[in-house]
Amino acid sequence: QLVLTQSPSASASLGASVKLTCTLSSGHSSYAIAWHQQQPEKGPRYLMKLNSDGSHSKGDGIPDRFSGSSSGAERYLTISSLQSEDEADYYCQTWGTGNWVFGGGTKLTVL
Amino acid sequence: QVQLVQSGAEVKKPGASVKVSCKASGYTFTSYGISWVRQAPGQGLEWMGWISAYNGNTNYAQKLQGRVTMTTDTSTSTAYMELRSLRSDDTAVYYCARVGIWGQGTMVTVSS
Repeated sequence: QLVLTQSPSASASLGASVKLTCTLSSGHSSYAIAWHQQQPEKGPRYLMKLNSDGSHSKGDGIPDRFSGSSSGAERYLTISSLQSEDEADYYCQTWGTGNWVFGGGTKLTVL
Repeated sequence: QVQLVQSGAEVKKPGASVKVSCKASGYTFTSYGISWVRQAPGQGLEWMGWISAYNGNTNYAQKLQGRVTMTTDTSTSTAYMELRSLRSDDTAVYYCARVGIWGQGTMVTVSS
């Protein structure tokens, strides 16, 4: 079964970097994913599509501070030079057989 | 620019139906499928289903089979999601989305 696993929470200091992880279930390590950001009281915003080889394509207007990488079944979102507006929920999502699958989301707190 | 604009908030009684619209602009509507995703208060994102804007093929989440219908009107570049037999746990923000773009969301409240 295709499942995405995310840590429920993460925190990092203003100006620092943070790396969020999304893990694909066994047998699905070749799958591409997408990362989405949801700021408080707002709708989701597409950040990027991330392939298994680490190549990624970002959405329009997404700052260079956001980048993606991959290792095996792990997909990462790195945010550098953290700003207060980066405090948000981050969801990974992938494409199953005719459906979308979401991870549970990671709540990022900027200290 | 590319955008998806959804219809406004709805308040419905249990047992009623709701139909949410999602108007696309800035791209060729039939080139992308539309997914519908909902988010209950304080919860994560739940995929509801997908419709091809090219030929109308659909795929619905198993838990919603029989209660949800997704359609498109290519003449107006609009997608629709109808949910029937509403229950209190259908209270959520409903989003349409395609690769790279989300609608702004539609709050649906189910309350007697």
